[in-house]
Order: sequence, then C-alpha cells, then structure tokens
Amino acid sequence: AQKITQTQPGMFVQEKEAVTLDCTYDTSDPSYGLFWYKQPSSGEMIFLIYQGSYDQQNATEGRYSLNFQKARKSANLVISASQLGDSAMYFCAMRGAGNQFYFGTGTSLTVIP
Amino acid sequence: SQTIHQWPATLVQPVGSPLSLECTVEGTSNPNLYWYRQAAGRGLQLLFYSVGIGQISSEVPQNLSASRPQDRQFILSSKKLLLSDSGFYLCAWSASFGISRGYTFGSGTRLTVV
Repeated sequence: AQKITQTQPGMFVQEKEAVTLDCTYDTSDPSYGLFWYKQPSSGEMIFLIYQGSYDQQNATEGRYSLNFQKARKSANLVISASQLGDSAMYFCAMRGAGNQFYFGTGTSLTVIP
Repeated sequence: SQTIHQWPATLVQPVGSPLSLECTVEGTSNPNLYWYRQAAGRGLQLLFYSVGIGQISSEVPQNLSASRPQDRQFILSSKKLLLSDSGFYLCAWSASFGISRGYTFGSGTRLTVV
C-alpha cells in the first residue's frame, strides 16, 4: 500500500537557521515522484520541490533542498536560512504509477524572529 | 500556461441546503482532476478524482457527489449539506501521466455550514 508519513506535527525554527522536515514513504512502485507543498494561512497550496525516484542527485530549488535517501525511503525537506514567511503547513506527497497522489498529514512550521 | 480557477472563495450555507462548487482548468487538455477536503489544521482528504469526462472515482462515502460535464470542468455538489461538510475544499489538476507531474491546486473554497 502507498503511504506517506510525516511524524512532526509542529516544528519551530529561529529565523535565519536551517530546518529539516521529515517525510517517509512506502510504495511498491518501481518508479515514483516525491513532492513537497507549502500551505500558508491563506490556504493555497504552493509547489516547492520535486524528486524522482531514479534521480541520482538530491533536488534543490533556491533555499529548498530535498534530502532523498532511497534505501531508507525518506524524502526530508531542508529549508535553509529560514524566513518569517516560511511559517506555514508543509505537506509531503508521492505519485506512483497510478493517477493518485498520497499526502502526509503535514507539519506546521513556525519561524521565530 | 495552465491555470486553474475555483469558486467561490468563501461560502456560508445553512444545513440542508444544496451545494455547487466549480473548478475549471485552462491551457491543458485531458487533465486528471481532483477534489480534496481539509478540516481546520488537518491534512488533505481525497474526495473524488476524474481521469476523463463522466469518469468519477469516489474515495470516501459521504454526502457529496462530483461530476465532470466537460474535459476541463469539475463540479462538487450536495443535495443537502450537513454540519460535518464544513471545511476547506481544494480542487487540483495534474497531467494524466508522468510521475514528475505534480498537482496544481486552485485557491480553495472555505465552506461553513450553519
């Protein structure tokens, strides 16, 4: 069965520090995609970063990077130099061979000035 | 470029009243379309998804239904709303194939049933 697990319901980080949001997944599909989305208080879902299961290198997008450890089935999001605007809910998601995405339960990140 | 429109942004409806939320996509053809519901401070619950006109898959038995009358139009409906239908509803689309193709979400509808 496909499954995404985010074990941190809430996280705090000091402004300008780095923070890692955890995500583990379970799938039997040989190829899959992993995604992170940000949901600020306005409710919109914003795509942050994508990692393919066959990608050799970890994905990076500006201050976001994805620490992909395939053997451990983990896809942690690293945010460097946190900003106040990073305070939001963060969702990890996976797309397998089918048409469905699987979302984790989310992590609420609060950046402290 | 592809865009997704969802309306209304907010809605307050009495218990027992009907519901119709609409979502349209522009700039792409044959998208996969999805309706999600999110309770306050919670994760996303997949309600319905559609891979083509008239093709609807329901994930959770509930008071809601969905229809796809046109390729790029997805409608969420209810004949009689319940208090438990309150929440934040998100429409999303994705390409019909490709593991690298993620979701693009609409801006959401906050529904309060009173």
